[in-house]
Amino acid sequence: KQEVTQIPAALSVPEGENLVLNCSFTDSAIYNLQWFRQDPGKGLTSLLLIQSSQREQTSGRLNASLDKSSGRSTLYIAASQPGDSATYLCAVRLNSGYALNFGKGTSLLVTP
Amino acid sequence: EPEVTQTPSHQVTQMGQEVILRCVPISNHLYFYWYRQILGQKVEFLVSFYNNEISEKSEIFDDQFSVERPDGSNFTLKIRSTKLEDSAMYFCASSETVWENTEAFFGQGTRLTVV
Repeated sequence: KQEVTQIPAALSVPEGENLVLNCSFTDSAIYNLQWFRQDPGKGLTSLLLIQSSQREQTSGRLNASLDKSSGRSTLYIAASQPGDSATYLCAVRLNSGYALNFGKGTSLLVTP
Repeated sequence: EPEVTQTPSHQVTQMGQEVILRCVPISNHLYFYWYRQILGQKVEFLVSFYNNEISEKSEIFDDQFSVERPDGSNFTLKIRSTKLEDSAMYFCASSETVWENTEAFFGQGTRLTVV
């Protein structure tokens, strides 16, 4: 069974800092990995998707990397802003199915 | 921008009652999913649906649950006899394909409270 772990569980940084969120997974036979943002009481917004054959993807101030062999992905956020405050979820899809397996998320607070 | 729409946003029901949660996936998407998130816990997969059939389901998706695409636009999740532990946020998602480069898009969720 795929286990997805996200560290840290919570993070507070001052505005302008660059930061890294970590995601690890136990089964390296992944199909793809997706990073989401969740605002309190709201739905999930897709940020980036990395295919198993890719090493990284970029969208604006976000950069996600994938090291399949070591079972790790990182989400790098450059020049953080208060509007980035949210919970960030990592989700992994295995080769064998359709389901996304989620981590518990990292709750990010960016203070002005 | 196209989005997945879920109704209602919040539903309160008595234990033992049947509930139907509704979703309108993105119009050109062919694959549909339900997930749930119990307060403070991970988002968990329930079921995936394609071509009017369940393509995958989790252990959570037992006989109390069913899904249906009653027409060309709606996708529903029915819980036949709700239990207190069914209280959660339920998310509908859809994707255009299941290829490696395809994102899943999620709705805003329905918060189900069983009392």
